This record gives sequence, C-alpha cells and structure tokens, in this order.
Amino acid sequence: RKEVEQDPGPFNVPEGATVAFNCTYSNSASQSFFWYRQDCRKEPKLLMSVYSSGNEDGRFTAQLNRASQYISLLIRDPKLSDSATYLCVVNMDGTSHGKLTFGQGTILTVHP
Amino acid sequence: GAGVSQSPRYKVAKRGQDVALRCDPISGHVSLFWYQQALGQGPEFLTYFQNEAQLDKSGLPSDRFFAERPEGSVSTLKIQRTQQEDSAVYLCASSPALGLAEASDTQYFGPGTRLTVL
Repeated sequence: RKEVEQDPGPFNVPEGATVAFNCTYSNSASQSFFWYRQDCRKEPKLLMSVYSSGNEDGRFTAQLNRASQYISLLIRDPKLSDSATYLCVVNMDGTSHGKLTFGQGTILTVHP
Repeated sequence: GAGVSQSPRYKVAKRGQDVALRCDPISGHVSLFWYQQALGQGPEFLTYFQNEAQLDKSGLPSDRFFAERPEGSVSTLKIQRTQQEDSAVYLCASSPALGLAEASDTQYFGPGTRLTVL
C-alpha cells in the first residue's frame, strides 16, 4: 500500500463546475499536510497547507480528517488556468526535518 | 531571481556513464532536499542536508547515488554507472527550516534536471 494515495484521474471538468480531490495517508502520526500544484514539465509549487479546522484560500478549500487519515481539496468555479496535476503531500515524520511524502498526483483538465 | 536553480536542465547519458547534477538553493536556506520524480509519479525523497551535514540518505536507491553539500550551500547529486531506470526528473528543494517545530516550513523547488539514460 502506498503511503499517500490519490485517485490519479484524469478529471475533465467544464469551467465553473466544482471539483473535489481526495487523498488518504497511511501514517497516523503524520504531522503536516499540504496540497501542491504541478504544471506540465514544471516544478511542484505549494498551493496550500491543510489544517484540522479546514482552511480556505479563495476558490480552494482544504480539509483534513485525522481520524480517517483523509485529506480533501475542493475547487469552486474552476478556471482553465487551474488545469494541472494536484499533489497530496504529507510530512510523515513531524519530529524530524520535514521530509515530504508525495502522492501520485491527480490530473485536472478544465475545458471551456 | 532568488529561487532555487538547478543545472543542467536536461542531461542525456549513455548507460554506464557518470553524471553530476547541481543545485543552488535559495541563499540562507539551511535545509536542502533531493527528490526523484519518475514519469507519471509524484516526487520521491532521496536525501536531506542541514547545512553541510547529510542527515538522511534513506531514499537513495543504491550505492551508485551520492550527494554532497560541502560548504552548506550548493549541492551536487552524483550518479555513477547510470542505468535506464535512473531516467527521471531530479528535483532539488530548499527550506529555511531547521526541523523539529519548523518541520512544516515550505519547501521551494527548483525546476529540476531531466535525466535520460539511453
């Protein structure tokens, strides 16, 4: 079983249609959680951190359920420019140096 | 620019050749990470430096892989006797974090080196 699992997609959605991605992680002691965005042939860039209380940044909402070891990302009113791969990322050893464990990534394509 | 830079951006090697990949982290960043990203997969951790000390090399796939950061700034990832399965994008990331309570600090990634082994 992979340490961080995501549905690889691809998700093909029209502009304006809300889309949600899910992710599960295996280590219950994990401390920090993130969503990164990666455009084709580019480096990953931090989209947002994920907190237990849930957090929102514009059209993006991230949620963490520690009991179920589950992380989600909701994108409202997606734009063409949101097309990218979304990586679920976990720092599984919060007492150490911040080594990140990445999921496979979920491919999102937003079409007109 | 003040971001992480990597060179070369692309490298084609013949099987058995040695390669060296360079990473220039953001100035002043204490932590430096190397990741390997195969096609269609997420990045996988290779090794970690805190200043010049290599504190974790648990992700290096074999003893053909070696990394160093002798002066606590620029880092080099060396792969000896390259094999076809080494073909991947090698990403470097840096962070101002020192670990422990700062373990969740953002990691800033460089553009990567795309290695193709023929």
